[in-house]
Amino acid sequence: AQKITQTQPGMFVQEKEAVTLDCTYDTSDPSYGLFWYKQPSSGEMIFLIYQGSYDQQNATEGRYSLNFQKARKSANLVISASQLGDSAMYFCAMRGNTDKLIFGTGTRLQVFP
Amino acid sequence: KAGVTQTPRYLIKTRGQQVTLSCSPISGHRSVSWYQQTPGQGLQFLFEYFSETQRNKGNFPGRFSGRQFSNSRSEMNVSTLELGDSALYLCASSSISSGSETQYFGPGTRLLVL
Repeated sequence: AQKITQTQPGMFVQEKEAVTLDCTYDTSDPSYGLFWYKQPSSGEMIFLIYQGSYDQQNATEGRYSLNFQKARKSANLVISASQLGDSAMYFCAMRGNTDKLIFGTGTRLQVFP
Repeated sequence: KAGVTQTPRYLIKTRGQQVTLSCSPISGHRSVSWYQQTPGQGLQFLFEYFSETQRNKGNFPGRFSGRQFSNSRSEMNVSTLELGDSALYLCASSSISSGSETQYFGPGTRLLVL
């Protein structure tokens, strides 16, 4: 069965600092995609970054990068230069052969001045 | 390009009633998925439609149903509402149905069942 584990219920980071949000996954599918989404209090899920299981390089999108370690089955999100607007829930998700997104329980990030 | 839209944004119903939620995907996207988000159960997959056919279904009772129209718009219906159906219902679209395709989400419909 597929599973996503986010072990950090909450994280605090000071503005302009970098922060790493942890995500580990479990799947027997040979091909899968890993995603990170941001959910502000408004509720909308905002796509941040994608990593394919066969991608050789770690994905980057602006201030977001994904630290993909396939052997360890981890896909941690790194946010550089945190901003107050980054305060939100962050979800790691995976999509494999079943084509449905499996989500972790999320990490609430609080950025303070 | 316009994003995923969902209507209505907020809804209050009473137990036993039924409700229909609507989702319009990003133009050109043919796959629409529905998710339920609650504080207790987190984000759970309901079903996915692609080219008017249901491709995948989550572990929800038959009271939850959906459909997709030829223009890719999708509706979700919940009959005989229960208090536990109170949730944020999120719709997501992607261009095709594949593990590598990013799903883009709408703003959600907040349903409160009294």
